[in-house]
Amino acid sequence: DVKVTQSSRYLVKRTGEKVFLECVQDMDHENMFWYRQDPGLGLRLIYFSYDVKMKEKGDIPEGYSVSREKKERFSLILESASTNQTSMYLCASSQGPIYFGPGTRLTVT
Amino acid sequence: AQTVTQSQPEMSVQEAETVTLSCTYDTSESDYYLFWYKQPPSRQMILVIRQEAYKQQNATENRFSVNFQKAAKSFSLKISDSQLGDAAMYFCAPPSGTYKYIFGTGTRLKVLA
Repeated sequence: DVKVTQSSRYLVKRTGEKVFLECVQDMDHENMFWYRQDPGLGLRLIYFSYDVKMKEKGDIPEGYSVSREKKERFSLILESASTNQTSMYLCASSQGPIYFGPGTRLTVT
Repeated sequence: AQTVTQSQPEMSVQEAETVTLSCTYDTSESDYYLFWYKQPPSRQMILVIRQEAYKQQNATENRFSVNFQKAAKSFSLKISDSQLGDAAMYFCAPPSGTYKYIFGTGTRLKVLA
């Protein structure tokens, strides 16, 4: 079975902090994703990576950056957290169907 | 632009009955997959079923099946013999580009005992 793990299930940060969300997959997938999930809005793609060091902006990249130094690891960075970034963050990997991690519920106060 | 519409924010079904969740989409891709995902309350998103667009035969996975109409860009999910464990948010995911998918806003399914 494909396994996608995320570093934290719950995270509380203060406004202005730099936040790192880590994601690791164990299936040697080329493609990795960061989505944000908000009630009534579904899942929105923040960033997509199709290879090591390769990335592509999704629909809502503002306020976020990503890093993919190794194939199995894809990090989401909030440079200066704001309250409107309070959300559920889902990491996923794919080589066909998308497999999701358990999610990180981030609260920015 | 690639779009997806799940027009039913919430649906209810009696246990053991059948329910159909609708999804329409628009895409410029010609050869692609479509997926339905299930997200139980406070739990992980899991793949329910997938359909290859070039296949005319509708996909089936145990009690789950799809009605895929490529020309109409319609991709509905039918759940037969509904069980309490089927209660969840269901998301339709058509392609939004090469290897990328767009997710609908979801349909919350309630299963009544």
